[in-house]
Amino acid sequence: ETGVTQTPRHLVMGMTNKKSLKCEQHLGHNAMYWYKQSAKKPLELMFVYNFKEQTENNSVPSRFSPECPNSSHLFLHLHTLQPEDSALYLCASSQDIPLAGSTDTQYFGPGTRLTVL
Amino acid sequence: AQSVAQPEDQVNVAEGNPLTVKCTYSVSGNPYLFWYVQYPNRGLQFLLKYITGDNLVKGSYGFEAEFNKSQTSFHLKKPSALVSDSALYFCAVLPSSNTGKLIFGQGTTLQVKP
Repeated sequence: ETGVTQTPRHLVMGMTNKKSLKCEQHLGHNAMYWYKQSAKKPLELMFVYNFKEQTENNSVPSRFSPECPNSSHLFLHLHTLQPEDSALYLCASSQDIPLAGSTDTQYFGPGTRLTVL
Repeated sequence: AQSVAQPEDQVNVAEGNPLTVKCTYSVSGNPYLFWYVQYPNRGLQFLLKYITGDNLVKGSYGFEAEFNKSQTSFHLKKPSALVSDSALYFCAVLPSSNTGKLIFGQGTTLQVKP
């Protein structure tokens, strides 16, 4: 295992529901990430947090709301999603965000398979 | 635009034969290059990365990758494939001027037949 856990592993929700995805890393890392993985498409970076501060929002719709209460935990709050939001949502962490000259490897959790009906 | 291309959706090899999974990139500056593997219903697992130095990088599970600057390629290789190597493989690049944005290819499914 990579030291990054995600719950739940599977989630089915209606378009009017509100749910949250949880990610926890046990690696002592400072940076955490949310990615969306859809079939036949490259991974899409959604959000980046460094020391609990959001450093990147990759033009993600507001129906996705991230929360990072501390460096070990990352949440993705979901509300009024669309069927096209169905995907595998992956959390990752790294020692720090890879600024120029730094190449910290990102370690991924197993993902949450989300289905929006 | 910066991008990563994995030209093959699927690669099929027989067990015991050498395998190659191709990756080319288009970024400015000196890139940092990564390979990840994803088994069914699992997250991505780090295999190896190239930062600088020797163009041949060795990683986990007997995999290696060769950085070729002139061809802007970073192909993944293994001398003898195992059935258990069957998985989805992702190439990723981190431009040297970047701030956290790994750019991923679309992935290549490797199928190793007994």
